[in-house]
This record gives sequence, C-alpha cells and structure tokens, in this order.
Amino acid sequence: GESVGLHLPTLSVQEGDNSIINCAYSNSASDYFIWYKQESGKGPQFIIDIRSNMDKRQGQRVTVLLNKTVKHLSLQIAATQPGDSAVYFCAETFSGGYQKVTFGTGTKLQVIP
Amino acid sequence: EAQVTQNPRYLITVTGKKLTVTCSQNMNHEYMSWYRQDPGLGLRQIYYSMNVEVTDKGDVPEGYKVSRKEKRNFPLILESPSPNQTSLYFCASSPRTGQPQHFGDGTRLSIL
Repeated sequence: GESVGLHLPTLSVQEGDNSIINCAYSNSASDYFIWYKQESGKGPQFIIDIRSNMDKRQGQRVTVLLNKTVKHLSLQIAATQPGDSAVYFCAETFSGGYQKVTFGTGTKLQVIP
Repeated sequence: EAQVTQNPRYLITVTGKKLTVTCSQNMNHEYMSWYRQDPGLGLRQIYYSMNVEVTDKGDVPEGYKVSRKEKRNFPLILESPSPNQTSLYFCASSPRTGQPQHFGDGTRLSIL
C-alpha cells in the first residue's frame, strides 16, 4: 500500500469499542464538512457529511458532530470493527463563493482484534 | 459502474520531461479537482474546475496546468516536472460544489 501513514497521529482502539476522531478546521466561513476514509492503496471514500446549519448528523454506525464556536469537527464510530482500520480525513469547503476544498492532515485508526 | 479513472497509476520520469496525468469520470459531474498527497500534509488541492472551460487554482498550483475542454475529462499537466513534484496524486469529482467527491485510485509520480 501507499505510505500515507507516516507522521500521522494514530488512534488505537479495541474491536467493539467506540472510536472518536477529532478535527480542527481553519476557515470560519466554511459551511460544508465531510469525513473521508482512506484505506491503503486506495483513494479517499466518502463516509458522512454535515452542513453548518446542523450540529449533529448520524449515519450507519457513524456520527459527525460540529461545533462552529470552536471550529471543531468529530467523527464517532460505534462498535469499531477491523474493517474500520484506515486513515480518516476531515475536509471543509464553502458551497457558495470560493469552491476550494481543504483537507485535514488525517488520523490513522488501528483496530486491535 | 460509476468511477473516476486516472492514468497512469505509476510513473517514474526525469526532471524537465513534460507529462500529463489523465482523469476521466463517467458520472456527468460538474466539479472536478486534483490533489496531491504527501506524508504529514494530508491532501492539498492543486486545481479545481466548476464546469467545462472553468478552472481555478487551489492551494498549491505552482508548476501545474489543467484544462477542462469536456465535462468528463480533467487532465493534469506538468510542463517541466521537478523532484519536489514527486507525490501521490488524486483526481476527484462531485455533481456540484458542496457535495461529496468521488476519488480515483491515485497516480504515484516519481521525478528524478
């Protein structure tokens, strides 16, 4: 696989436990936030998104929380499984004016069987 | 199958030899983008395109060119590659801005 895991913060969790991955975003004008999962040797895959008019959104086993006051985003994974092992990135953008997308530096999640 | 296709997947070349990395999507998406991924730096946006003939710079555009003559294709051009452009490159597309992107499998470029 690709060596994108170098220098990444790593979160190790026991299989079955819940995982929380955090992200600080930079631009207070951003109004759309996305979490991506990247497995070794592959491109990022969409997990869940949230717009700035919400503070929580739930998917299947995943929840994203948004705190605009402190520009913080978190991804919660319930009952973490070995298949969740990957690098997770948050991304921010503004869907109105500028259309740049800014990614965080990523967190590596290791699930211990 | 909905997909973003990049070619080549791997390339080793030398400084100054022009190269093009192709990107094609079959989802009729308006928005397309190129990123480079380097250890510890995450993904950084090089260029993006809102639609045909509409392109704009991302955060790291120096040394790169793009074009968007057709909706499905968004090639990345390195006119005079240098070793600091050695990286893993991803192309992505989405229906419009403010929507999740679909990524290709990446192109590993090594410039000697």
